[in-house]
Amino acid sequence: DAKTTQPTSMDCAEGRAANLPCNHSTISGNEYVYWYRQIHSQGPQYIIHGLKNNETNEMASLIITEDRKSSTLILPHATLRDTAVYYCIVRVRGSGNTGKLIFGQGTTLQVKP
Amino acid sequence: NAGVTQTPKFRILKIGQSMTLQCAQDMNHNYMYWYRQDPGMGLKLIYYSVGAGITDKGEVPNGYNVSRSTTEDFPLRLELAAPSQTSVYFCASTTGQGSGGYTFGSGTRLTVV
Repeated sequence: DAKTTQPTSMDCAEGRAANLPCNHSTISGNEYVYWYRQIHSQGPQYIIHGLKNNETNEMASLIITEDRKSSTLILPHATLRDTAVYYCIVRVRGSGNTGKLIFGQGTTLQVKP
Repeated sequence: NAGVTQTPKFRILKIGQSMTLQCAQDMNHNYMYWYRQDPGMGLKLIYYSVGAGITDKGEVPNGYNVSRSTTEDFPLRLELAAPSQTSVYFCASTTGQGSGGYTFGSGTRLTVV
């Protein structure tokens, strides 16, 4: 599975958009980009995933560059409850694979009042 | 629908003792995983299973054993506990089909003294 690189930490003002970048320059054509977050040592929570098209759900938007070598997770209106560690992970698509998620260090997002 | 249930939530073990961390899911997921998370670090994969009767090692399997006799349950066994196994343990599951998200349990906090 491809390796990801994320900034160690970021700050964001409450109510503003939080844009979290992720580099995955060695991603393969059959690998998805997943985003999870972990709030204060709770179990990780699924946010969103995508293959090559931009995706949006009730929590966030995921923008993947055309060459798929990087992506950005966007929290449109960050709240204090969004303070967490955010993990960007790539994994192989399709049944028959192991589905392993390999976590990196993630980005600690601090939302400030 | 309880999702992924882990027991116990907390446990203190003495060096050399053994114990089993329980993980159960009621979503009929084929794929299950055990992770550990040391303080300030990301999650490391210990063992995983792609179906009943099938298990395989992850990144950090030493000192642990698993079994998967049913689809629902995936217990993690610690033999001869060591202080290095002090950690928070998370269990996760997914369907394994396509690109579905993963559901994590709330974790077991283990201290070995």
